[in-house]
Amino acid sequence: EAGVAQSPRYKIIEKRQSVAFWCNPISGHATLYWYQQILGQGPKLLIQFQNNGVVDDSQLPKDRFSAERLKGVDSTLKIQPAKLEDSAVYLCASSFGTNTEAFFGQGTRLTVV
Amino acid sequence: AQKITQTQPGMFVQEKEAVTLDCTYDTSDQSYGLFWYKQPSSGEMIFLIYQGSYDEQNATEGRYSLNFQKARKSANLVISASQLGDSAMYFCAMRESVSNFGNEKLTFGTGTRLTIIP
Repeated sequence: EAGVAQSPRYKIIEKRQSVAFWCNPISGHATLYWYQQILGQGPKLLIQFQNNGVVDDSQLPKDRFSAERLKGVDSTLKIQPAKLEDSAVYLCASSFGTNTEAFFGQGTRLTVV
Repeated sequence: AQKITQTQPGMFVQEKEAVTLDCTYDTSDQSYGLFWYKQPSSGEMIFLIYQGSYDEQNATEGRYSLNFQKARKSANLVISASQLGDSAMYFCAMRESVSNFGNEKLTFGTGTRLTIIP
């Protein structure tokens, strides 16, 4: 069974530029999560989708971050404009339902300079 | 307020010894779930074990067991016979309900870095 796919693996951008990350969840998984993990910290939930609806986006900085999950499958997370403090690993995860374990992709390491 | 608290930033344990990683949680839900994940230096998050709030038995998966004390709101991970490959970050996580349509979200603690000494 294929796992959660994320791209790119690494990205370096200058502050004020924009960037987008892509996630393809495990087939059949209705729940998709985007987490931000700053070095040395635990993952922070940015947004959670159930199919193509948003379950929680209370910690998403909506002035600069946006996410969508069209057709309830793939998802993109965008940052525009990026700030230095956005440097982190962005983890995508999926689960069959909201009450089952989540499976994670390998993450995208973003460096903002 | 922190929903998940892991008070041990780092631990050093001799190989083959057992180790307990602490996790306490805060929720007013009656139905919730607790997870432990392992994150090696390569960065991937690996699911280890799950405990539901209504499960009467402590969860076990191979060398991993979860010491669930509901009244104390603690869900400690026990690793028996530690191995060098157990060196990693370990995260406790809790699923908690959100307001809409009975969905739940998954929240993580700050993690414990475990180092196994040969």
